[in-house]
Amino acid sequence: GAVVSQHPSWVICKSGTSVKIECRSLDFQATTMFWYRQFPKQSLMLMATSNEGSKATYEQGVEKDKFLINHASLTLSTLTVTSAHPEDSSFYICSVIAGGNQPQHFGDGTRLSIL
Amino acid sequence: AQRVTQPEKLLSVFKGAPVELKCNYSYSGSPELFWYVQYSRQRLQLLLRHISRESIKGFTADLNKGETSFHLKKPFAQEEDSAMYYCALRSQTDKLIFGTGTRLQVFP
Repeated sequence: GAVVSQHPSWVICKSGTSVKIECRSLDFQATTMFWYRQFPKQSLMLMATSNEGSKATYEQGVEKDKFLINHASLTLSTLTVTSAHPEDSSFYICSVIAGGNQPQHFGDGTRLSIL
Repeated sequence: AQRVTQPEKLLSVFKGAPVELKCNYSYSGSPELFWYVQYSRQRLQLLLRHISRESIKGFTADLNKGETSFHLKKPFAQEEDSAMYYCALRSQTDKLIFGTGTRLQVFP
């Protein structure tokens, strides 16, 4: 069964709106979660590493003020796309590590469409 | 530089034919490599990891450090194998670096 729950699965909103995406780990505590972005027919690009109780680590070129990440508990990380614009339209995917030397497990993804 | 290369965007075969999806990597250290699969309208799922040395759904992949490759193979492709396949490398900080993916199409 799924170990990661991501919500919502699809969002359509007007330009200028802020959108929050949730990523929950099920059945286990995740000190580290990852946020990816995937453009159509392209690979996943890591945006940031979300660490519980501390600031997220952003990849080069990712605006931390644009993509706010909060990892307030061991089972929840949120990604907020602030003042979204059409160029932010993409597929956003989170993943978690169950612990130890375990592989990453991915959420279903959130399709964000900004009009 | 850490990089994963999947040279083929699309691989089309007929059912029953052998399949090899290529993956090459660049990493200064001891790599940990994975194959992930994404079926149509489904989440990305782990297919194989090199340290497990197991066969999943008939797929195998061997890490060749000399050739810096981790090719995915299956002797007889099935229609249900049609999907997007991503090779990924895990860095020491647990980050996954993905290749660009190969779409496998298996025709009946």
